[in-house]
Amino acid sequence: AQSVTQLGSHVSVSEGALVLLRCNYSSSVPPYLFWYVQYPNQGLQLLLKYTSAATLVKGINGFEAEFKKSETSFHLTKPSAHMSDAAEYFCAVSDGSNTGNQFYFGTGTSLTVIP
Amino acid sequence: KAGVTQTPRYLIKTRGQQVTLSCSPISGHRSVSWYQQTPGQGLQFLFEYFSETQRNKGNFPGRFSGRQFSNSRSEMNVSTLELGDSALYLCASSLLGDTQYFGPGTRLTVL
Repeated sequence: AQSVTQLGSHVSVSEGALVLLRCNYSSSVPPYLFWYVQYPNQGLQLLLKYTSAATLVKGINGFEAEFKKSETSFHLTKPSAHMSDAAEYFCAVSDGSNTGNQFYFGTGTSLTVIP
Repeated sequence: KAGVTQTPRYLIKTRGQQVTLSCSPISGHRSVSWYQQTPGQGLQFLFEYFSETQRNKGNFPGRFSGRQFSNSRSEMNVSTLELGDSALYLCASSLLGDTQYFGPGTRLTVL
């Protein structure tokens, strides 16, 4: 089975500072990779996804992620944090199989933005 | 297109009761997955349905069951509720092998 590791369950950054949320996956084949964001009492919202078209993926709200196969990583970044970015972020991997669309989620990283 | 809808949004039950949660996927999506989210365990996969067939199942006891109807709407049922079943239950729909889109969830509280 695939797995996802998110380093750092809590990350704090100052408003305007760089946001870096780490995600490593275990997979022997290029997977589909995703980042989702969850605001309090809401479902998960897709930020971006990697599907092998390009290693640098741009998502919504100024976020982007870079796929590095050699490091099996898919870290999420944003150049300048905004107060509205405070939320829980989840990295997920899927093999995109036609026989079963099972996603494997990381444990999440809670982002706090300090004014 | 309308997003994934889940009903009810909030539910309070007592131990021993059973509960049924409903999920309506995005129009055209035939795959529906269910997750349980708790502060201690994070997001845990329950099961996935496609064309009324369960394709994948997570590691949950038999008290947790689900089904999918011909219109792709799905229900999940939890029987003999326990305190530990208190959680946010999330439903996600997708096209075959593609991005999962989540509903707002049903917050279940077991007293």
